[in-house]
Formats: sequence, structure tokens, C-alpha cells
Amino acid sequence: AQSVAQPEDQVNVAEGNPLTVKCTYSVSGNPYLFWYVQYPNRGLQFLLKYITGDNLVKGSYGFEAEFNKSQTSFHLKKPSALVSDSALYFCAGYYGQNFVFGPGTRLSVLP
Amino acid sequence: GAGVSQSPSNKVTEKGKDVELRCDPISGHTALYWYRQRLGQGLEFLIYFQGNSAPDKSGLPSDRFSAERTGESVSTLTIQRTQQEDSAVYLCASSPGQGFSPLHFGNGTRLTVT
Repeated sequence: AQSVAQPEDQVNVAEGNPLTVKCTYSVSGNPYLFWYVQYPNRGLQFLLKYITGDNLVKGSYGFEAEFNKSQTSFHLKKPSALVSDSALYFCAGYYGQNFVFGPGTRLSVLP
Repeated sequence: GAGVSQSPSNKVTEKGKDVELRCDPISGHTALYWYRQRLGQGLEFLIYFQGNSAPDKSGLPSDRFSAERTGESVSTLTIQRTQQEDSAVYLCASSPGQGFSPLHFGNGTRLTVT
């Protein structure tokens, strides 16, 4: 079955430190992979996507993600976290008909 | 242009009443999705419309839930005989329809069933 996993419910990081939010996907076809961010009382906002090509993709707000086929992972990264990055992050895969979302990871950046 | 618009933003209803939630997608977007998000939880797929094709209703949790979309325009999600477990944020998203196009989400409708 198609699935996207985010193994961490919560990630805490100090402001200025690098951050990583993890995502793994099931290998059913070749999914397109996405990261979205959700701020309180808002809908989800698109951050970045991987379709094909370069394994490192860059997106909004200084975020980037690395596609690793051998590990079936698509981890979200940022070199230097900001307090304003605190939000709920969702990884998603598009499997030809529908988007499958991970359960979300709450990122808290501590000042 | 405007983004995805959902109305109402908040809805409080009594158990057993019917509610109708509205989604105005971005103009020209052929794909439209409804998701449910319970407090602190992830997204639960409900239904998907793509152009004039038959909708994918596989995520609707019961026959109390239904949705319609006329062409490539407005969609309504109807919940009949609401139950307390229906309390959640209902999110609508649209996209141009190609898989590599990201979804554009509305801000959601927060439904509270008392």
C-alpha cells in the first residue's frame, strides 16, 4: 500500500541550529514527493517538491530536501532554524491518483 | 488571483443537524480534494474530483458524508445528521491536475458539533 511516514511526532531545535524533519515513503511506483507547512489556524502551504533530476531540491523560506532512493527518504532540512519556522510539517507523496500525507511533525524552534 | 476560498471559516452545530461546507477552488484548477483534520492530527482524505470524471469517494467515512462539484467550479461537502466525532477542520485543496503540481489549500472550515 502507498504510505508516507514521518517517524517523529515532535522535533525541537535551538534557533540558529540546523534542523531536519524526517520522511520516508513506500516504493509503489515512483511517487512525486512534497513538503508542506501548516501554521496555526491556516491551511497547508507548499514548501518544495521532488519530481525528478537533482536529488537536492530547494524551496521556500530557505528549506531544502534531499531525495534518497536507496533509503526511500525525503528529509526536510534547513541550515539555520528560526523561531518563526515553528509549525506543523507534512510530507506527501503523489501516487498517480491521489496525494498521501504523512501524519505530520511538529517543529518547535526554541529561542 | 485569489487562492482557494472556504466558507464558513467556523461552524458550530447541534448534533443531528445537517451542515454544508463550501469550497471555491482557484480558477482553472481541474482537481479538487477534501480532507479532514482532527485536532493535532494529520490529514484524512475524503474525496477527490478531477475534471468531469467520476469522483474518488473512497475516503468518505460514512454515507452521512457526500460532496458535489459542478464542472470545475465550486464544491460543497455535506454532512448529514452530524455527530460529535465529525468535529474537525475540513480542508479543501485544488490543483491544475497534473501530479507534479502542488496542492493549494484553503484555510479550512472548523466544524464543532455540540
